[in-house]
This record gives sequence, C-alpha cells and structure tokens, in this order.
Amino acid sequence: DAGVTQSPTHLIKTRGQHVTLRCSPISGHKSVSWYQQVLGQGPQFIFQYYEKEERGRGNFPDRFSARQFPNYSSELNVNALLLGDSALYLCASSGRGETQYFGPGTRLLVL
Amino acid sequence: GENVEQHPSTLSVQEGDSAVIKCTYSDSASNYFPWYKQELGKGPQLIIDIRSNVGEKKDQRIAVTLNKTAKHFSLHITETQPEDSAVYFCAASWGSGGGADGLTFGKGTHLIIQP
Repeated sequence: DAGVTQSPTHLIKTRGQHVTLRCSPISGHKSVSWYQQVLGQGPQFIFQYYEKEERGRGNFPDRFSARQFPNYSSELNVNALLLGDSALYLCASSGRGETQYFGPGTRLLVL
Repeated sequence: GENVEQHPSTLSVQEGDSAVIKCTYSDSASNYFPWYKQELGKGPQLIIDIRSNVGEKKDQRIAVTLNKTAKHFSLHITETQPEDSAVYFCAASWGSGGGADGLTFGKGTHLIIQP
C-alpha cells in the first residue's frame, strides 16, 4: 500500500507570492495534519482536518489556510510568503487512533 | 499549551552500545507519546509509541518507558547499529487522532553511531 504522498517535493518562491501544497493520505485514513519543520527543529503543528472539517489549529498566522476534500486529500495554502516561511512542510495521516504517519514533505524555499 | 523538552541534542555512541534519549512534557493531560526517526531528506518515521495507561513498551531493540508522575519518557536503543544513525524526535499529544492540538515535538536528538 502507498504511504502518504506529497507534492511537489521542492518549491522555490519569492516573497509575497502564494503557494499551494498537496497531500494524499494513506488509503482509508480520514484525518490529515500539517506541520512546518524549520531546519534543525522539530515539526510544529499547523492544522488538523478530519472528515473535511478543521479539528485543530496551531499558532500560525491567518496567511496559512488548509482544506480537505471528499477523497480526504488535503491542500495547505500560504499567502504573502515571507523569508521565514522557508521550511519542510510535512503532512501526516491517521486512521481511527492517534498514530500519525508522515509523508516525505515538501521543501519550500522563499527568496 | 504543551511543551516538550528533549535531551541530549547530540548523542554519540559506539556501535553495539546502548543509547538513551530523554523527554519531559508539561501538560498532565497528554496521554500519547510517539517517537519518530528522521533520516536526512526524509519525513519522520514512527518507530514506537506508548499510551499513558502503559509504563513500558518494547519492540526488538527499541523500548520506551513512561513516568506519568514525573512527566517524562525515554527511548532506549540497545545493540546500536550504523543504520540507527539519524535524528530522533519525541512528541506528546492528548485525545484521539492526535488531539485537537496535534503532536507537540521536542527539538530532536542527533544520534551518531561510531563504528
């Protein structure tokens, strides 16, 4: 079975632009979470979605938004990019329990 | 919110020796504690997890212990091998599905296995 997939793998943007990152969860998983991992740090929670509804939000500005589709895939959108948004963006999916399985991430570089 | 402290930041051990990584958490409501291994250029991989109703869990060379009273948990790796070299993260959360607050991670431990 395929694990969590994310696209694109790498992305370069300039300040002020907008970016959309995509995630497909493990088949049968209905929950998707997004995390930001800055170099040298642990992942930081951004959003959690379950059955297409937002269940939780971390301490991130309103420039960050997300949604989950009927097939449980998800998009993370970031507006008005700042240099500090450069990071690895991770998507994790979970089934009935707490266990979260991470994808390979999308590495975003903002110039 | 939850705060997770992880020590040490770097750990170098001889191949075959044991490695221990320790974490403390602040929120007594946390009830789920996973450990992840992250290799360069990859996403975190779950290696073991423990729930607050269990004090210890073991899976081959890897074990995790939890002390709810002291609010700390530890990862133990025995008979270390070169492929154990990676960054290890502890995390904490509450509730089901990761909880409404998601997982709170420590800052990571870079484990180096010396041949």
